Amino acid sequence: DAGITQSPRHKVTETGTPVTLRCHQTENHRYMYWYRQDPGHGLRLIHYSYGVKDTDKGEVSDGYSVSRSKTEDFLLTLESATSSQTSVYFCAIRRDRTQNIQYFGAGTRLSVL
Amino acid sequence: GDSVTQMEGPVTLSEEAFLTINCTYTATGYPSLFWYVQYPGEGLQLLLKATKADDKGSNKGFEATYRKETTSFHLEKGSVQVSDSAVYFCALDYNTDKLIFGTGTRLQVFP
Repeated sequence: DAGITQSPRHKVTETGTPVTLRCHQTENHRYMYWYRQDPGHGLRLIHYSYGVKDTDKGEVSDGYSVSRSKTEDFLLTLESATSSQTSVYFCAIRRDRTQNIQYFGAGTRLSVL
Repeated sequence: GDSVTQMEGPVTLSEEAFLTINCTYTATGYPSLFWYVQYPGEGLQLLLKATKADDKGSNKGFEATYRKETTSFHLEKGSVQVSDSAVYFCALDYNTDKLIFGTGTRLQVFP
């Protein structure tokens, strides 16, 4: 158990609605990441955070925003969900300051109808 | 830019067969290399890593050697088990805050 909880684990929503996914860690690590996993694409980085209120974009950030108001929580928001955002979303933390070894949550399966 | 290329799957093997999953990378300099494994319904977990040329990472009977001359980090196991059925991801880190993942290779092992 990497001390990471993602919620919800499954969600079905409609096109155009806002959606927020939550990642919670119990270990007080500085770096947190949001990825999406799609067939044929592997894992692609959406956004990441390197501290409270410090975030940066990944390779597929369009249509997503993030917030980190406290160390333990990293929120991913789809402002207006589209069917192309149907995916499995993973949160990860980085524990080591010298090596980029990441530990992953169990994922959130999101379906946008 | 930096990238990772993995062999397409699925790889289908019988129990006790030898496994190789190919991974090559493109990067300037000397990245750290990783193999992650994802079991059904779970998140990824680190399987092994290597941080410099000629390093061999190993774990749970799996091995991979960092080959700078061929820019490769192939995953091998001498005798696979049904419980090894999973998706395997190769990844690199070039002194940044971000990992770059390959597209993943599904391994199916049958009794």
